Amino acid sequence: AQSVTQLDSQVPVFEEAPVELRCNYSSSVSVYLFWYVQYPNQGLQLLLKYLSGSTLVESINGFEAEFNKSQTSFHLRKPSVHISDTAEYFCAVSGAGANNLFFGTGTRLTVIP
Amino acid sequence: NAGVTQTPKFRILKIGQSMTLQCTQDMNHNYMYWYRQDPGMGLKLIYYSVGAGITDKGEVPNGYNVSRSTTEDFPLRLELAAPSQTSVYFCASSYADVGSPLHFGNGTRLTVT
Repeated sequence: AQSVTQLDSQVPVFEEAPVELRCNYSSSVSVYLFWYVQYPNQGLQLLLKYLSGSTLVESINGFEAEFNKSQTSFHLRKPSVHISDTAEYFCAVSGAGANNLFFGTGTRLTVIP
Repeated sequence: NAGVTQTPKFRILKIGQSMTLQCTQDMNHNYMYWYRQDPGMGLKLIYYSVGAGITDKGEVPNGYNVSRSTTEDFPLRLELAAPSQTSVYFCASSYADVGSPLHFGNGTRLTVT
């Protein structure tokens, strides 16, 4: 079975500074990787995903994540954050099967003006 | 396009009471899911369905029941509410099981006292 570790529960960062949210996973088989974002009082929304191909994937709002198979990581980065990026971010790993999606415990990103 | 709609948004139950959390989606997705979200714990799968008439247990099914009589609807039933069921509940749907992103509702915040 897969598992996901998000070591940082909270990450405060100043506006326009870079940020990295860490995600490591454990799995012995091929996986699909996701980052979801949750704004206050809302459900989760897909931010980006890695299924196959290029190991660097990007979102429409400037986030990117790189799949590193040797380090079993899928860290999320943004070179310059905005106030509107304040939210909770969840990493998730999926194998085959509808009951085979596992979420990390989340990282709360707070952007400080 | 409404996506995934959950009702109610909030509910307070007394121990031993029962209730049904409603979930409907208008995207014609075969796959539907119920998760609970607890602080610092990420999301845990309660039940899932791969199509009308087919349901199966997830990671934390005890105390819950589901049904899937139509493609659109996937209600979650709590028969004898317990304080341990205080949580935020999210319904989600997806087009496929492998590698397909989930679409989430905005959640139901349930308190059992």
